[in-house]
Amino acid sequence: DADVTQTPRNRITKTGKRIMLECSQTKGHDRMYWYRQDPGLGLQLIYYSFDVKDINKGEISDGYSVSRQAQAKFSLSLESAIPNQTALYFCATSDSSSGHTDTQYFGPGTRLTVL
Amino acid sequence: TQLLEQSPQFLSIQEGENLTVYCNSSSVFSSLQWYRQEPGEGPVLLVTVVTGGEVKKLKRLTFQFGDARKDSSLHITAAQPGDTGLYLCAGGRGAQKLVFGQGTRLTINP
Repeated sequence: DADVTQTPRNRITKTGKRIMLECSQTKGHDRMYWYRQDPGLGLQLIYYSFDVKDINKGEISDGYSVSRQAQAKFSLSLESAIPNQTALYFCATSDSSSGHTDTQYFGPGTRLTVL
Repeated sequence: TQLLEQSPQFLSIQEGENLTVYCNSSSVFSSLQWYRQEPGEGPVLLVTVVTGGEVKKLKRLTFQFGDARKDSSLHITAAQPGDTGLYLCAGGRGAQKLVFGQGTRLTINP
């Protein structure tokens, strides 16, 4: 089984709808991240959480919110989806006890299309 | 402001050729990682370098961390179609989150 799972894998929705993307991990890592990737481009950080009580905005947090329900679960919400939020969304985890390397482990991604 | 600049952004070459991808910054990092992302999947770590001047080899891939720990390079020898993908560098600074470059999209044509 995959260590980092994302649901759903694909979602098509309409403008104005509320959408939640979920991420679960079995790696026991304390840190979790949400990234957005547009076609042909790199990763943009949306939100990150260093532990259950810690939530931080990334580079492009406007229009998004997150919830860290437990150490293993980190969900991303789009309160009112708009077409320019159409993208590939990745969840990632890392372990702060790994020292200065902070390797990130990515989920398989969620492809979101907003019509 | 992009802290880590990768070049080139796009590269398309023939099978068997050599190539180098660069990752540059004006900032010092305690570690530098390289990830590869294949279509439809998330990025996967290839290597981490932590010492200035460090060189690591992974089969036909050679990674180098600059002496001043501000830049890195990835050299691929005799590229193969299986090397096709998006290559991302990421800089680490202790307990802080990683900073990713914008990526280099590499296509190896048979």
